[in-house]
Amino acid sequence: AQSVTQLGSHVSVSEGALVLLRCNYSSSVPPYLFWYVQYPNQGLQLLLKYTTGATLVKGINGFEAEFKKSETSFHLTKPSAHMSDAAEYFCAAEGGADGLTFGKGTHLIIQP
Amino acid sequence: DVKVTQSSRYLVKRTGEKVFLECVQDMDHENMFWYRQDPGLGLRLIYFSYDVKMKEKGDIPEGYSVSREKKERFSLILESASTNQTSMYLCAASFQGDPGELFFGEGSRLTVL
Repeated sequence: AQSVTQLGSHVSVSEGALVLLRCNYSSSVPPYLFWYVQYPNQGLQLLLKYTTGATLVKGINGFEAEFKKSETSFHLTKPSAHMSDAAEYFCAAEGGADGLTFGKGTHLIIQP
Repeated sequence: DVKVTQSSRYLVKRTGEKVFLECVQDMDHENMFWYRQDPGLGLRLIYFSYDVKMKEKGDIPEGYSVSREKKERFSLILESASTNQTSMYLCAASFQGDPGELFFGEGSRLTVL
């Protein structure tokens, strides 16, 4: 069965600093990969996705992620954090009939 | 954009009560899902449906059932609510041709006393 691991349940960065949220998947067959964001008291919304083709994927709000097959990783980055980026971020993988498998989430805290 | 609407944002129920959580989507998407979200555990799939009157168990179906009588509506039922079912419940929909891109409702926070 597919599993998704997010390293760090909480990540704190200063405003303007680089954001790096880590995600690793377990599968011998590269799945489709996703990052979702959840703002307080809201549902999740898609940030970006990787299916095939270019391994560097750009999403909304200045975020991007790079698929690295050799490392089974799909880390999310943003060059300069903004206060509005404070949210919960979920990595997910899709590779079977049961839909998405989600990681446990990373709470991003932005320090002023 | 797909809009997924969950009927209740906040509910408080008593142990043993029957609870209905309703979810409606407006974009004719085939796939619908119910997840449960708990701190430190992420999202866990309860049930999903790929078509009307069709349902499949997810990872944690015990204590829950679902109903999909119409394509746009997917209901989650707690036959006899228990305190360990206190949680945030998220409904989602996706298009058959793009199953990984889920559209979520805003969630229903259920407290069972």
